[in-house]
Amino acid sequence: GAGVSQSPSNKVTEKGKDVELRCDPISGHTALYWYRQSLGQGLEFLIYFQGNSAPDKSGLPSDRFSAERTGGSVSTLTIQRTQQEDSAVYLCASSFLDRLDSPLHFGNGTRLTVT
Amino acid sequence: DQQVKQNSPSLSVQEGRISILNCDYTNSMFDYFLWYKKYPAEGPTFLISISSIKDKNEDGRFTVFLNKSAKHLSLHIVPSQPGDSAVYFCAADNYGQNFVFGPGTRLSVLP
Repeated sequence: GAGVSQSPSNKVTEKGKDVELRCDPISGHTALYWYRQSLGQGLEFLIYFQGNSAPDKSGLPSDRFSAERTGGSVSTLTIQRTQQEDSAVYLCASSFLDRLDSPLHFGNGTRLTVT
Repeated sequence: DQQVKQNSPSLSVQEGRISILNCDYTNSMFDYFLWYKKYPAEGPTFLISISSIKDKNEDGRFTVFLNKSAKHLSLHIVPSQPGDSAVYFCAADNYGQNFVFGPGTRLSVLP
């Protein structure tokens, strides 16, 4: 079956512009996560959607970052007024709601470059 | 403060030998641990996991060991192959919060 799909795969934007990153999780997965990986760094948690519960936004680095998940499936991560430090690979992952023995399945990421 | 640590940024191993990747954690509430492998330009892929009720889990060439008292886990790859060259991430979950990842260890398996 299809894995986690992210689009675009690469995005170059000018400082100050808004960007939207899209994630299509694996069908049937009710939990969805956004992480980012800056150059030479590990995976930084951003936000987590679990079923119909309120999302865990504790990892969002500033109020310029927001995310939504429509219909319990597709998610969009929006970064407003992008800054150069936002440049990173943004990774989406999904899993089953019951996380016992349910690992995250990642997409290939969106590489964002802010010039 | 990093809750999941991988103190070796890189590791080089000869093909056919054992690779041992280490991970330490600080939160005693973590009870499910995973290892992911990441190739360049790809997302991390799940490799193997272990629940805190176990101290060992094996899958083919990959074995994960968990020492709860030491808050330490390790991934053993035997025998190592050139295709194993990648960045390996240790991750932890405490059943109710998000997954916390370590900074990764870059493994190079030399032919």
